[in-house]
Amino acid sequence: SQQGEEDPQALSIQEGENATMNCSYKTSINNLQWYRQNSGRGLVHLILIRSNEREKHSGRLRVTLDTSKKSSSLLITASRAADTASYFCATYTSGTYKYIFGTGTRLKVLA
Amino acid sequence: SAVISQKPSRDICQRGTSLTIQCQVDSQVTMMFWYRQQPGQSLTLIATANQGSEATYESGFVIDKFPISRPNLTFSTLTVSNMSPEDSSIYLCSVVGSSGGFQETQYFGPGTRLLVL
Repeated sequence: SQQGEEDPQALSIQEGENATMNCSYKTSINNLQWYRQNSGRGLVHLILIRSNEREKHSGRLRVTLDTSKKSSSLLITASRAADTASYFCATYTSGTYKYIFGTGTRLKVLA
Repeated sequence: SAVISQKPSRDICQRGTSLTIQCQVDSQVTMMFWYRQQPGQSLTLIATANQGSEATYESGFVIDKFPISRPNLTFSTLTVSNMSPEDSSIYLCSVVGSSGGFQETQYFGPGTRLLVL
């Protein structure tokens, strides 16, 4: 079952622009992770944010978490053609021992 | 971090047959997960495989269709039984690293791309 809904489903931007993707979820969580998947390959872990954190940075990535709104956003700054991929959020809730994935956002960065 | 390998990387199978997918991790892990990703879709958890106990299946997935083995802390197999074209998907195994008692990063294998004719 899908815990997270992501929007937009698809996003097309020009190289150099920023890309923002949003993830909403339904239940309380312990952490939320963002992943990238290139063209049907395995998933690459991008960043983990815990429920007691509000913002994290990693290179050109910025993730925010608002537990009151049960939402997170992933910002990719100064996008590159190589950022073209699908991006997924995944949430973990203590006691469930499993991660639940969102629906994903397909990002296309035009050179 | 964990390094995960899967075999086969891809396969084309005839309906009615079965395929066993292997997942090998370079370190000992307690929990391993199997996911299915249908074309153009997100990941759906099939089951959680713990060493020394029966796998725990998610709603919509049953042991007869997707038997799982977990003989030790570094290895697991998923069998897709009596396949039909609807089973055409990418199958991914994953593990979770832990730090200080928290569930941390989930690492994924490269996936097995299955096409059923």
